[in-house]
Amino acid sequence: DSGVTQTPKHLITATGQRVTLRCSPRSGDLSVYWYQQSLDQGLQFLIQYYNGEERAKGNILERFSAQQFPDLHSELNLSSLELGDSALYFCASSVGEGAWSGYTFGSGTRLTVV
Amino acid sequence: DQQVKQNSPSLSVQEGRISILNCDYTNSMFDYFLWYKKYPAEGPTFLISISSIKDKNEDGRFTVFLNKSAKHLSLHIVPSQPGDSAVYFCAASAGAGSYQLTFGKGTKLSVIP
Repeated sequence: DSGVTQTPKHLITATGQRVTLRCSPRSGDLSVYWYQQSLDQGLQFLIQYYNGEERAKGNILERFSAQQFPDLHSELNLSSLELGDSALYFCASSVGEGAWSGYTFGSGTRLTVV
Repeated sequence: DQQVKQNSPSLSVQEGRISILNCDYTNSMFDYFLWYKKYPAEGPTFLISISSIKDKNEDGRFTVFLNKSAKHLSLHIVPSQPGDSAVYFCAASAGAGSYQLTFGKGTKLSVIP
């Protein structure tokens, strides 16, 4: 157990729907990162929050949004889902803001859009 | 445009031998490199890292080598063990305080007993 908790582990939904993925960071970590791993692809950075504030954005679609709450858990909202959004979504956390010390990843949420 | 490339999707090695996983990058701004290991149904786990001010970093059976002029790094595992069978991701960041890692697509290592 890495200490980063992601729920749900699996999600199957239809095109056009909206889903929310949840992440609880490791105790003491202030930064949360979201990554997407599509089939046969590396992990693609989506967005980072630090202590409730958005810090960096990567290749995140406008249909996707995220937030970090006062208790530091984070949610990734995916709307108007398309078949191509099917992927593994990983959350990671770190103590500081940067990637310098490396991340601790959760086990991911597998999203299947049908 | 892939900035971090792992050109070998898979690698098979006999138990006890050396495993060498390679990674190339194109972005000269990258100055910190990490290797992650991933087992099925789990998230990636940090393995070892190296700063661009070094050319080698060792941690037990794992050694990472960095060749900045060639924009190439490699992970050596000696001796390889069946438990090392996993997907290995190379990742890079651009500077302390950088907020994102750029990952390669991964290399699946199979260590044969």
